[in-house]
Amino acid sequence: AQSVTQPDIHITVSEGASLELRCNYSYGATPYLFWYVQSPGQGLQLLLKYFSGDTLVQGIKGFEAEFKRSQSSFNLRKPSVHWSDAAEYFCAVASMDTGRRALTFGSGTRLQVQP
Amino acid sequence: DTGVSQNPRHKITKRGQNVTFRCDPISEHNRLYWYRQTLGQGPEFLTYFQNEAQLEKSRLLSDRFSAERPKGSFSTLEIQRTEQGDSAMYLCASSPGTSGRNEQFFGPGTRLTVL
Repeated sequence: AQSVTQPDIHITVSEGASLELRCNYSYGATPYLFWYVQSPGQGLQLLLKYFSGDTLVQGIKGFEAEFKRSQSSFNLRKPSVHWSDAAEYFCAVASMDTGRRALTFGSGTRLQVQP
Repeated sequence: DTGVSQNPRHKITKRGQNVTFRCDPISEHNRLYWYRQTLGQGPEFLTYFQNEAQLEKSRLLSDRFSAERPKGSFSTLEIQRTEQGDSAMYLCASSPGTSGRNEQFFGPGTRLTVL
């Protein structure tokens, strides 16, 4: 069964500092990978996605993520964090090879931004 | 494109009562998903529809839960004889096409509190 691990439950960074959120997945075949962001009381918004090709993908709001097959990782990065980035971030995986289209999510990383 | 909408946004009910939630997907999206999210966790898949056909149900979807998507448009999720453990955010998502390459667009969710 596929699974997603986000090792950091809570991260605090200063505004303007760089950010990296970790995501490791366990999946026997080639996955589709996603990062979503959720602000309080809001639904999930897609930041970026990886299906194939270039392993460094660019997303919205200045975020990027790098797919490393050898490490089963898909870490999210941002060079300079803004106060408005404070939210909960979820990594998710879907199947490329089976008919299953549901997403499997990690437990999330809550980002706090200090002024 | 008005996005995925869900009603009601909040529902408080007493244990043992039945509740029904509605999801209106993005127009023309033929896939619709239901997820459940408890505090401090990522969303967990419940079920999904392609048009009006319910193609997969999670083991989380007990006999007290039923979902429908008549005519392949809006969907309803009903919980019978609610229990306190049903308290959660219920998220709906939709996606176009049939490929796993299609991102899922999430609604704002319905927060259920069972007293």
